[in-house]
Amino acid sequence: EVQLLESGGGLVQPGGSLRLSCTVSGFTFNNYAMTWVRQGPGKGLEWVSTISGGGDNTYHADSVKGRFTISRDNSKNTLYLQMTSLRVDDTAVYYCAKSRGYSGYEDPRFDYWGQGTLVTVSS
Amino acid sequence: QSVLTQPPSVSAAPGQKVTISCSGSSSNIGNNYVAWYQQLPGTAPKLLIYENSKRPSGIPDRFSGSKSGTSATLGITGLQTGDEADYYCGTWESSLSAGVVFGGGTKLTVL
Repeated sequence: EVQLLESGGGLVQPGGSLRLSCTVSGFTFNNYAMTWVRQGPGKGLEWVSTISGGGDNTYHADSVKGRFTISRDNSKNTLYLQMTSLRVDDTAVYYCAKSRGYSGYEDPRFDYWGQGTLVTVSS
Repeated sequence: QSVLTQPPSVSAAPGQKVTISCSGSSSNIGNNYVAWYQQLPGTAPKLLIYENSKRPSGIPDRFSGSKSGTSATLGITGLQTGDEADYYCGTWESSLSAGVVFGGGTKLTVL
């Protein structure tokens, strides 16, 4: 059974940092790209970042470029999102999702999702 | 303001059919595959359709997808109360701001 479990969310002040983790099981982790998608309160889905199966290619939304970094440790079956210079409008539930392919490039197919972790940016 | 345009809401009676549209441009839907997601209240999104019209295993054939030019459509037949959810289209944006883009979402109400 495929499982994705996010952790690391919480309350942080504007300008602060936070690292999210997503631990997975039930599939060969390094064969698939992984993605972070967020959803602000009462809002729609927003793609954040994608990383290829080997970790050598990453893609970030313009809204987080230069502030967020996606990474993965294939030996630990874990995906990360390092978030810095957090802003109030980064407040959202952050989901990790598994892609159906390896590269993640030009690929909107996310076939398994975690339950999400809430990040609240507020003073 | 989402790159992909969906109607905010649609509704239909149980047993009926409904379609949800997703409109984009040549830099996204026009040249890339479309996926559709269902998000039941309080839960994570679930992949319903990928590559415009393919269904993952376990998704009933009541759900269908199609694409024409720069628009895509999700169809749901034999509506059930359990289909009440938010539905999102998604695709790749090939412009300078490359990445996955989603529609704003459509709330389906089964009357």
